[in-house]
Amino acid sequence: DAGITQSPRHKVTETGTPVTLRCHQTENHRYMYWYRQDPGHGLRLIHYSYGVKDTDKGEVSDGYSVSRSKTEDFLLTLESATSSQTSVYFCAISENGGEQFFGPGTRLTVL
Amino acid sequence: QKEVEQDPGPLSVPEGAIVSLNCTYSNSAFQYFMWYRQYSRKGPELLMYTYSSGNKEDGRFTAQVDKSSKYISLFIRDSQPSDSATYLCAIPDAGKSTFGDGTTLTVKP
Repeated sequence: DAGITQSPRHKVTETGTPVTLRCHQTENHRYMYWYRQDPGHGLRLIHYSYGVKDTDKGEVSDGYSVSRSKTEDFLLTLESATSSQTSVYFCAISENGGEQFFGPGTRLTVL
Repeated sequence: QKEVEQDPGPLSVPEGAIVSLNCTYSNSAFQYFMWYRQYSRKGPELLMYTYSSGNKEDGRFTAQVDKSSKYISLFIRDSQPSDSATYLCAIPDAGKSTFGDGTTLTVKP
């Protein structure tokens, strides 16, 4: 299995609270991605990174920010969580932008 | 129009059936096509990928691409209960992948 972990695995928080999700890889892959997965919407790209400090928006980036200060870590921040951000969040990595390896997911509930 | 459209399902078949999962795409420039499998409460994992047109076979699984009609298919022969999962087609382009919404398959013993 690709060395990719996500933390926390489960989180319950309240509306308006800041939340940071962490993705850590041990594969030294160039690309890292954050997705959310909701029933009826499939996997939707939030943000991605193509190198240290190089990030770009995906299709559902509003309300989210990311940072990548090291190759191995990609952080997703919800500055002020809303109930619409309740979802399962997946991190993925890719060596060349093709095949992606996914983490185990983080279940976030915003009350 | 979404770049990748996938037959929504869900699909329920008896064990041993042949399963066909399908996607269409809009950009004729796409060259690589992938299928991921996602078990319940797990992350997706790559099942197969193909380049350009034609068929690719891996055991009971066959991936097929028809670029003239912009249609991709995944066939599962002799389906097993362990094949019960959600299958997502995906097309990588410019460092990102566009995923279909997934088809949930249940194979009943």
